[in-house]
Amino acid sequence: RKEVEQDPGPFNVPEGATVAFNCTYSNSASQSFFWYRQDCRKEPKLLMSVYSSGNEDGRFTAQLNRASQYISLLIRDSKLSDSATYLCVVTKGTNDMRFGAGTRLTVKP
Amino acid sequence: DAGVIQSPRHEVTEMGQEVTLRCKPISGHNSLFWYRQTMMRGLELLIYFNNNVPIDDSGMPEDRFSAKMPNASFSTLKIQPSEPRDSAVYFCASRPGTGEAGELFFGEGSRLTVL
Repeated sequence: RKEVEQDPGPFNVPEGATVAFNCTYSNSASQSFFWYRQDCRKEPKLLMSVYSSGNEDGRFTAQLNRASQYISLLIRDSKLSDSATYLCVVTKGTNDMRFGAGTRLTVKP
Repeated sequence: DAGVIQSPRHEVTEMGQEVTLRCKPISGHNSLFWYRQTMMRGLELLIYFNNNVPIDDSGMPEDRFSAKMPNASFSTLKIQPSEPRDSAVYFCASRPGTGEAGELFFGEGSRLTVL
C-alpha cells in the first residue's frame, strides 16, 4: 500500500462549483499535513497547511481526520484559475515529506 | 530574491551516458531535497540533506544514483550509467531551518530524457 493515496481524477467541474478531494495516509505516526498545488509543467507550491481543528483560507478549507487517517481539501466557488493538480503531503518528521500522486482538477467555463 | 535554481532545465541523453543535475538552494536554507516525478509514480523523495549532510537516501533507486552537497549553496544528483527508465522530471527543493515544516521551495525542475 502506498504511504499517501489520492484519487487521481480528473475532476471536471463548472465554474462556481464546489469540489472536494480526499487523501489517505498509511502511517499513523504522521505528524504534519499539507496541500500543494502544481500547475501543468511547473513546480509544486504550498497551498495550505492542514491543522487538526480544520482551517480555512478564502475559498479553500482543509480538514484532518486522524482516526480515519485522511485529509481533505474543499474548494468553494471554483474559478478557472483553480485548474491544477493538487498534491497531498504527509510528514513523519520535519523533513521526511511524502507526496501523493495528485488529483487533477479542471474548472470549465 | 532568487529561488531554487536548477540546471539543466532539459537534458536528452543516450542510455549509458552519465547525467549530472545541479541545484543551488535558496540562501540561508538548511535543508535540501531531491525528488523525481513521473506520471506512473508521482513525486518520489530520493534523498535529503540537513546542513550539507545526507540524512536519508533510502529513496535513491539504486547504486547508479548518487548525490552530493559539498557546501551550503550547491548540490548535485548524478546518474551513471543512465537508463531509459530514469526519464523523469527531477526537482530540487529547499527549506529554511525554522518556519513552517511543510513549506518546501521547489526549483523549476530538470526534465531528463534517456533514449
